[in-house]
Amino acid sequence: TQLLEQSPQFLSIQEGENLTVYCNSSSVFSSLQWYRQEPGEGPVLLVTVVTGGEVKKLKRLTFQFGDARKDSSLHITAAQPGDTGLYLCAGPSGRPNAGKSTFGDGTTLTVKP
Amino acid sequence: NAGVMQNPRHLVRRRGQEARLRCSPMKGHSHVYWYRQLPEEGLKFMVYLQKENIIDESGMPKERFSAEFPKEGPSILRIQQVVRGDSAAYFCATGTAMNTEAFFGQGTRLTVV
Repeated sequence: TQLLEQSPQFLSIQEGENLTVYCNSSSVFSSLQWYRQEPGEGPVLLVTVVTGGEVKKLKRLTFQFGDARKDSSLHITAAQPGDTGLYLCAGPSGRPNAGKSTFGDGTTLTVKP
Repeated sequence: NAGVMQNPRHLVRRRGQEARLRCSPMKGHSHVYWYRQLPEEGLKFMVYLQKENIIDESGMPKERFSAEFPKEGPSILRIQQVVRGDSAAYFCATGTAMNTEAFFGQGTRLTVV
């Protein structure tokens, strides 16, 4: 079973600070996805990383896929209250083309104004 | 995200009743995935369906749970004789091909009293 461990579980920071959250596994993933979920809503896809060592930027968010494709990080620069939410990483699981994903338990981020 | 419609958004059932959760895929999507999320946890895969076919139900509890995706109409997740432990948020995600990006609905929050 492929597992994804996310850390930290909870993170509370002040507006303007920088932060990094992590997604780690002992298994290799062909790709990893990052989602943000707000209370009472469904997850919204932020990015998919597919190549080892890949770095993708989405405004103030920087996503990196580890060289060995076993881990990923999300860095937020100058966090804003609107960044508050549950950040989930996910990767395809099971046999090839099984069509399902394994999710980490997420990092709950709170950005205080 | 808004294209995947789930209803109802909130559902309250007494123990022993049946719960029916509906998911209408985004236009053009023929793959449906159901996930369950407990508070402050990630999403756990339940079942993957295509039109009139169950592709992978490895995450479905063996009893009381069933899912379908008929030729016409929404996908249905059915829980018979609900128990308090069934209380959770149930999300569906839809897509066009296996292991590609899927888009989530807003979820149905089931409360069993």
